[in-house]
Amino acid sequence: KQEVTQIPAALSVPEGENLVLNCSFTDSAIYNLQWFRQDPGKGLTSLLLIQSSQREQTSGRLNASLDKSSGRSTLYIAASQPGDSATYLCAVRPVWPDSWGKLQFGAGTQVVVTP
Amino acid sequence: GAVVSQHPSWVICKSGTSVKIECRSLDFQATTMFWYRQFPKQSLMLMATSNEGSKATYEQGVEKDKFLINHASLTLSTLTVTSAHPEDSSFYICSAVMYSYEQYFGPGTRLTVT
Repeated sequence: KQEVTQIPAALSVPEGENLVLNCSFTDSAIYNLQWFRQDPGKGLTSLLLIQSSQREQTSGRLNASLDKSSGRSTLYIAASQPGDSATYLCAVRPVWPDSWGKLQFGAGTQVVVTP
Repeated sequence: GAVVSQHPSWVICKSGTSVKIECRSLDFQATTMFWYRQFPKQSLMLMATSNEGSKATYEQGVEKDKFLINHASLTLSTLTVTSAHPEDSSFYICSAVMYSYEQYFGPGTRLTVT
């Protein structure tokens, strides 16, 4: 059974510092991995999606890497801002046909960026 | 594009009553929708997979008679919490799958049972 772990569970940094969020998964047979942002009491916002054949994806200040063989992904957020404060979730999707379409989520990392 | 809405965004009901939550894909047709629940400070747990025109598939441990799911059209799925109890209080989130198989999430519904 796939298990997704996110470390650390919480992180507080001063504004301007770079953020490094980690996600690990036990079964490397994944179709893709996705990073989400969730603000308190809100739904999920997709940040980056990495296909299993890719090593990284970038969007603005965000960069996500994927090492499928070692079961790890890292989300980097450069030059953090108070608006980056949120909970960040990673989720993996297994390969077809196992659990088609079902995402397995980590518990999330709660980030606070102080001004 | 790829917008998913939920209604209501917040609902309070009394113990023993039933509550219906709607999930709509606004600008695309979704053959599959997923329902999740999220307790405070915890991650999302998949409850069920809803396919248009067929019965929902429930995850282990989820009571199908308590959480009724209807996917009557390609743009609408509903979750009905029957005979709600305080322990059913949670944040319910749906997602809809477009042709690319990527899931698009709704904004969630906060259910409080008193």
